[in-house]
Amino acid sequence: DAGVIQSPRHEVTEMGQEVTLRCKPISGHDYLFWYRQTMMRGLELLIYFNNNVPIDDSGMPEDRFSAKMPNASFSTLKIQPSEPRDSAVYFCASRFSDTQYFGPGTRLTVL
Amino acid sequence: AQRVTQPEKLLSVFKGAPVELKCNYSYSGSPELFWYVQYSRQRLQLLLRHISRESIKGFTADLNKGETSFHLKKPFAQEEDSAMYYCALKGTGFQKLVFGTGTRLLVSP
Repeated sequence: DAGVIQSPRHEVTEMGQEVTLRCKPISGHDYLFWYRQTMMRGLELLIYFNNNVPIDDSGMPEDRFSAKMPNASFSTLKIQPSEPRDSAVYFCASRFSDTQYFGPGTRLTVL
Repeated sequence: AQRVTQPEKLLSVFKGAPVELKCNYSYSGSPELFWYVQYSRQRLQLLLRHISRESIKGFTADLNKGETSFHLKKPFAQEEDSAMYYCALKGTGFQKLVFGTGTRLLVSP
């Protein structure tokens, strides 16, 4: 099992561009979480889904951020337009029996 | 509100020394507490949870409701323990974890 898969692993873009991060959870896991990790704020929950339905998006910083989960095996986090302060590592995690399994993360740099 | 505080950003010890990574929480209900670890170039992964009352890689953590703490301890640190450690809380009836800001443990030879 490859675990949670995220792509791309690294993304460098310019301010104002649209960025789409992708996640494939572990099969059979019914919860999916998106986190952002920064040096200053640590690991912050952005949004989570249960059975593909968004449950809590209170952590999404602003309207520039959106997330979807069209089916049980795929989710996207989109930032449009991107800003330099969005630079961070974005993690996706899926959950089974109270244990969250994290992906390798996407390191986003917005110039 | 649920909050987790890890007061130390960096903890540096020598191999063989005892280690204690501090974690305090704020939650009015009955919490579930976890420690997650991220080794260099590896994924963030669960280290232990308080309900299991287990020792993993020599680490233990006891939930102290009176002091609202869940400190992670190991009597003799090893170089391979060097990593980023996150304390996390899950409130009763909630599905999400609230993480602390993390503590980087550096074990020197």
